Amino acid sequence: DSGVTQTPKHLITATGQRVTLRCSPRSGDLSVYWYQQSLDQGLQFLIQYYNGEERAKGNILERFSAQQFPDLHSELNLSSLELGDSALYFCASSVGVSSYNEQFFGPGTRLTVL
Amino acid sequence: AQTVTQSQPEMSVQEAETVTLSCTYDTSESDYYLFWYKQPPSRQMILVIRQEAYKQQNATENRFSVNFQKAAKSFSLKISDSQLGDAAMYFCAYRSASGTASKLTFGTGTRLQVTL
Repeated sequence: DSGVTQTPKHLITATGQRVTLRCSPRSGDLSVYWYQQSLDQGLQFLIQYYNGEERAKGNILERFSAQQFPDLHSELNLSSLELGDSALYFCASSVGVSSYNEQFFGPGTRLTVL
Repeated sequence: AQTVTQSQPEMSVQEAETVTLSCTYDTSESDYYLFWYKQPPSRQMILVIRQEAYKQQNATENRFSVNFQKAAKSFSLKISDSQLGDAAMYFCAYRSASGTASKLTFGTGTRLQVTL
């Protein structure tokens, strides 16, 4: 158990819908990362937050957005869902923003878009 | 942009034997970190081993060791005395040591089967 929690574990929805994935980092971690793992794209970085501020953006679609709240939990919002958005979405957390800090991964949320 | 390549989609090893998984990467940076992550059927991402590019000594964690060749941009993982529990997807990953955007860039993974 990494100490990072993600809810829900599984999510099944229809095309065109909007969903919210939630992540709680390890106690004391200020940095949160979101990654997407799909058959087409592999494992890719979406976005990073540190202490409530966006720090870096990767291959995140405009239909996707994220935020980190004052209690440091983060939410990833996916809207106008398409079949290709079906994937495993991981959240990871680390103490700070330094590359030296290890990233701890949550168990992931499996999103299925029908 | 950095890229990570794993050219072996699947590998197989017998229990108690040794196997080596290959990884190459491309970067213009001189300071960075390299990682091997294990993803078992549970889908949890587990850090296996980490290497700092400025360290010449290869990292070792129990039965896991790496062969880091900086000039060749190669970073292979050796698993000794393979166990059934080692069966999983293994991902090689790169992380820049500069700046504060410390994302991980992953390879496409190698599926390791362990047979009796």
